[in-house]
Amino acid sequence: QVQLVESGGGVVQPGRSLRLSCAASGFTFSSYAMHWVRQAPGKGLEWVAVISYDGSNKYYADSVKGRFTISRDNSKNTLYLQMNSLRAEDTAVYYCARPRGPVRGVPNDAFDIWGQGTMVTVSS
Amino acid sequence: DIQMTQSPSSLSASVGDRVTITCRASQSISSYLNWYQQKPGKAPKLLIYAASSLQSGVPSRFSGSGSGTDFTLTISSLQPEDFATYYCQQSYSTFTFGQGTRLEIK
Repeated sequence: QVQLVESGGGVVQPGRSLRLSCAASGFTFSSYAMHWVRQAPGKGLEWVAVISYDGSNKYYADSVKGRFTISRDNSKNTLYLQMNSLRAEDTAVYYCARPRGPVRGVPNDAFDIWGQGTMVTVSS
Repeated sequence: DIQMTQSPSSLSASVGDRVTITCRASQSISSYLNWYQQKPGKAPKLLIYAASSLQSGVPSRFSGSGSGTDFTLTISSLQPEDFATYYCQQSYSTFTFGQGTRLEIK
């Protein structure tokens, strides 16, 4: 079945780095753009970043621009989020999500498949 | 950046009630508006895409309407499993979520 499984979360000190992974299965990963979305404890959803199907286009929320990098390895069906210079306000559950359709570029589409999330806690 | 404002922030209702949640965009987003349901400890679930299209497998009691800047999500007859938090999201220019509407049992 179509599935996204995040990993790599944990507790990290402010200023340090962490890399999240999202393993995809059950669909043609290389045909879809992919997103990261986060949710701070008790708060709402915040879109973080998107990467096009081939990795050629990437867009970020202002809150993470210059600190986070989204990437993908289509040969491994895996999405990544490299998070540097982490701050307390980056503490959240991080979800990877897939848009509804396989479209070139970055589609203006809803997210129909979500992973279960991985928790990142930034604390000294 | 496009801001999304939902109202109300919370809502108490009973099983069988008709419920409407509103989402307003800070500028026109055409019909690039999506609705999600989230239950505690779970990932969001897509309900409505492109303002009014029902996602496959979602019960027909859920419906969406609107275009431009003003949108609504309606649940025609609340069921026990519908008590959750609902988010709108614009996908017109990057992606922004509303702050959420918590639907509670009265």
